[in-house]
Amino acid sequence: NAGVTQTPKFQVLKTGQSMTLQCAQDMNHEYMSWYRQDPGMGLRLIHYSVGAGITDQGEVPNGYNVSRSTTEDFPLRLLSAAPSQTSVYFCASSYASSDPSVGYTFGSGTRLTVV
Amino acid sequence: DAKTTQPTSMDCAEGRAANLPCNHSTISGNEYVYWYRQIHSQGPQYIIHGLKNNETNEMASLIITEDRKSSTLILPHATLRDTAVYYCIVRVLNAGNNRKLIWGLGTSLAVNP
Repeated sequence: NAGVTQTPKFQVLKTGQSMTLQCAQDMNHEYMSWYRQDPGMGLRLIHYSVGAGITDQGEVPNGYNVSRSTTEDFPLRLLSAAPSQTSVYFCASSYASSDPSVGYTFGSGTRLTVV
Repeated sequence: DAKTTQPTSMDCAEGRAANLPCNHSTISGNEYVYWYRQIHSQGPQYIIHGLKNNETNEMASLIITEDRKSSTLILPHATLRDTAVYYCIVRVLNAGNNRKLIWGLGTSLAVNP
């Protein structure tokens, strides 16, 4: 089925470990982004990309890296995991970089716990 | 940046219309209002968006006041599967001319049998 696929669905990390959250879409969307969702707070934008080879920071980029080598994939890398990065992470994509807010398609999320 | 205010929670009887209000009094003239919903543990789902005119699609209707300071999302015949958190958000233009959404906490809608 077409859509946004996130892997893994669940992950437990130890403090200081690094890992990559994968996000792939098969809709040829230009725009892709990563959000985190914490209890009592709205979704917050981590990083986004308006096309292959182009990335930019969102509201809460510290501790995360991204790359966009292809249109389909937008991995999120945690450099050195901290308990404050315990969260649910969502990847989202959209057709038009000129109007990326229209019709975001979200993945099902990755639930990350850092101990 | 324009912010939105929504009630924390609402209830609705199954089969009745659910009317979800949103206040966005600081919205600027070229900012759109977007509605998304999030069913428990799933990723948010786009519902509808609008600028100044009322909009309708297969999921819902969006009524925007003439002064654009508030809007209402209408689910005409709510079902149990419409139980979710509904987010009203405005598009924010940042310095790089790229846009991001600012998400609040939304309204938790419970549709009751």
